[in-house]
Amino acid sequence: EAQVTQNPRYLITVTGKKLTVTCSQNMNHEYMSWYRQDPGLGLRQIYYSMNVEVTDKGDVPEGYKVSRKEKRNFPLILESPSPNQTSLYFCASSLILNTEAFFGQGTRLTVV
Amino acid sequence: AQKVTQAQTEISVVEKEDVTLDCVYETRDTTYYLFWYKQPPSGELVFLIRRNSFDEQNEISGRYSWNFQKSTSSFNFTITASQVVDSAVYFCALTGAGSYQLTFGKGTKLSVIP
Repeated sequence: EAQVTQNPRYLITVTGKKLTVTCSQNMNHEYMSWYRQDPGLGLRQIYYSMNVEVTDKGDVPEGYKVSRKEKRNFPLILESPSPNQTSLYFCASSLILNTEAFFGQGTRLTVV
Repeated sequence: AQKVTQAQTEISVVEKEDVTLDCVYETRDTTYYLFWYKQPPSGELVFLIRRNSFDEQNEISGRYSWNFQKSTSSFNFTITASQVVDSAVYFCALTGAGSYQLTFGKGTKLSVIP
């Protein structure tokens, strides 16, 4: 089954404790991206990757890191989480950018 | 820069009414792609439609239809005879051929009341 898998689905952590949200797709897609969804702000892009080893900043990259060492995986790293990073996060992949995006189930992160 | 505006934050309709969700976009690209996604209360994001800038034909899929008008930079979405299952947040999105980003609007929350 074609899918994008994010883990964990829910996470509560404390300020400053490094965390990683994993994202994996099984569709051999080139393009992957991370979004955060906040009430009233819609979906905002954090980082994206056009292919292996090629990543770039989206609209709200501060406080986040990513890597794309393999085509299928695109983890999101919060080196020192802060409460303003409390949000719902989505990973997405598409064959190329202008085709249908497949989204993961979302990760609800709370930073206290 | 590209931008998507969904001016309607929330809409409530009674079941069986028709409803139109507005989407206005801005882009400098002559080639671009527009999308609609649905986010039901369960939270997942579901693809509904993709349209490229060279195809201005309106599209109908069951009770759903989309009206793309380049002259007004709009890509509106109409649900005919709405049902409770249509209750969701709907997002319009845009990417231009010269951009590597997919830009979303802020979404419109549709509530269909029985």
